[in-house]
Amino acid sequence: QVQLVQSGAEVKEPGASVKVSCKASGYTFTSYGVSWVRQAPGQGLEWMGWISSYNGNANYAQNLQGRVTMTTDTSTSTAYMELRSLRSDDTAMYYCARDRQCGIWGQGTMVTVSS
Amino acid sequence: DVVMTQSPLSLPVTLGQPASISCRSSQSLVYTDGNTYLNWFQQRPGQSPRRLIYKVSNRDSGVPDRFSGSGSGTDFTLKISRVEAEDVGVYYCMQGTHWPQTFGQGTKVEIK
Repeated sequence: QVQLVQSGAEVKEPGASVKVSCKASGYTFTSYGVSWVRQAPGQGLEWMGWISSYNGNANYAQNLQGRVTMTTDTSTSTAYMELRSLRSDDTAMYYCARDRQCGIWGQGTMVTVSS
Repeated sequence: DVVMTQSPLSLPVTLGQPASISCRSSQSLVYTDGNTYLNWFQQRPGQSPRRLIYKVSNRDSGVPDRFSGSGSGTDFTLKISRVEAEDVGVYYCMQGTHWPQTFGQGTKVEIK
């Protein structure tokens, strides 16, 4: 079946970087892009960006420009989201989802930023 | 950015009764290809979001037919014909027409 499986929870200190992976299965990876969405504790959903799995072109949310990089590895059908210069307000559940319309979601990766 | 405004933000409902959530966008969601990329998501407590409806009114696979979506342009509605206990959670609309994609604030559905 179609699914997205994300990497495990992370705890990072302020100023560090985190890289979250999202492995796709059950469909042709290059036929759909990958969106990344985060959710701070008790808050709503925030779109972070989208990457084409076909050619690697990415669009990022303006408030994350310069700190976020999204990539894909077509040989392993895996998408990655790296966030740098972490701050306490980056503490959130991070989700990957299939394509711009987010038809399928991963299980989420909790990233905690704390000293 | 397109602002998505949901109402109400909290919706206490009686089991077996209908429920309705409104979502309004700050500009038209009709894309140049003629499609309207308005999606509805359900997030049950402790779970990932799940898409229920895409392109205004199309139910995703496995979504019960008590869920329906309607609307056009800037005004959209998600209806639950008869609320069941498993429908408790937060519901979000999201537009995928304009960059960046934007979500509504969420509507919390709970049982009275």
